[in-house]
Amino acid sequence: KQEVTQIPAALSVPEGENLVLNCSFTDSAIYNLQWFRQDPGKGLTSLLLIQSSQREQTSGRLNASLDKSSGRSTLYIAASQPGDSATYLCAGFLYGNNRLAFGKGNQVVVIP
Amino acid sequence: DTGVSQDPRHKITKRGQNVTFRCDPISEHNRLYWYRQTLGQGPEFLTYFQNEAQLEKSRLLSDRFSAERPKGSFSTLEIQRTEQGDSAMYLCASTIGGQEVAGELFFGEGSRLTVL
Repeated sequence: KQEVTQIPAALSVPEGENLVLNCSFTDSAIYNLQWFRQDPGKGLTSLLLIQSSQREQTSGRLNASLDKSSGRSTLYIAASQPGDSATYLCAGFLYGNNRLAFGKGNQVVVIP
Repeated sequence: DTGVSQDPRHKITKRGQNVTFRCDPISEHNRLYWYRQTLGQGPEFLTYFQNEAQLEKSRLLSDRFSAERPKGSFSTLEIQRTEQGDSAMYLCASTIGGQEVAGELFFGEGSRLTVL
């Protein structure tokens, strides 16, 4: 069974600092990896998708990378803002498995 | 709005009652997923459909749970004889999927179930 670990589980940073969120998979045979944002009581919003032929994706202040050999992904958020406060979830599709496996998330608070 | 739509957003019910949730996926998406999420946890896979065919069910989906996707469009998730342990957020997602691959998943806002 694929297990996904996200470290740290929770963190607080002052506004303006860069955020680095980590995700690791027990099975590194990942072909798609997605990072999501979830606000309290809400659904999941897709932030970035790294497809099988890619190693990283960027959108605005967000950058996500995937190292398939080690089964690790990192989400980098530059110059954090209070509006970035949320839970960030990573999830991956494995080859031969048609379900996204999720971590428990990184709960982020950006202090003004 | 062309995103994934779920209804109702909130449902409070008494133990033993039946509840049904509906999901309308993005129109061109052939694959639809149901996930369940409890507080502080990541979403857990329940089941998925490729068009109208239910291709996989998690062991989390007991006999009290049933899901359908008639005509490969909207989907319903029914829980019979609800228990307090069923209290959770039920999330629906859709994507374009092939035999062994799937694209970016888009989620709805979820249906929150509270069983008293």
